[in-house]
Amino acid sequence: DAGVIQSPRHEVTEMGQEVTLRCKPISGHNSLFWYRQTMMRGLELLIYFNNNVPIDDSGMPEDRFSAKMPNASFSTLKIQPSEPRDSAVYFCASSNWDRTHEQYFGPGTRLTVT
Amino acid sequence: SQQGEEDPQALSIQEGENATMNCSYKTSINNLQWYRQNSGRGLVHLILIRSNEREKHSGRLRVTLDTSKKSSSLLITASRAADTASYFCATEETSGSRLTFGEGTQLTVNP
Repeated sequence: DAGVIQSPRHEVTEMGQEVTLRCKPISGHNSLFWYRQTMMRGLELLIYFNNNVPIDDSGMPEDRFSAKMPNASFSTLKIQPSEPRDSAVYFCASSNWDRTHEQYFGPGTRLTVT
Repeated sequence: SQQGEEDPQALSIQEGENATMNCSYKTSINNLQWYRQNSGRGLVHLILIRSNEREKHSGRLRVTLDTSKKSSSLLITASRAADTASYFCATEETSGSRLTFGEGTQLTVNP
């Protein structure tokens, strides 16, 4: 298995631009998680899906952030408009929650907003 | 605040020594997990211990869980330079399926 795939790996954009991060979970996994990691705040859960349905989005910082999971093999995290304080590494993780509760992380997307 | 808090924040040891990291949490949990993160990479799951378990082993890893004290420890025996990484504990609360991660312990193993 290729593991969790994220794209792009690096993104540099200017303030005000729209940013879309993409994630392909491990085939057969039914839960997907979006995290943000910064030095100041550590690893924060933004939102997670079970069976493509958003369950808890309480970690989404504000309305500029949105996430979708149109099918079991694809999810996006969108920031519109982006701000410098959004600069962070964004991780996607997936899990087969019915069977085991360990999460498999992707390599992350390093976002820099200038 | 973070559910899991690791202690110490940073640990530096010599190759061959044992490394012990601790994690404290606040609420009732279903399980506690330990993850490792190499610099610039995603987290990798190491071991999961359920709330009704007290100790678990996996290779050179030993995890203990004390639910009365709401604490866990991760012991890495006979450390190697390749063990250099950040180690995070994560708790799955009884209220849901999400994990809450601590701030991590940065382990440096000197050759």
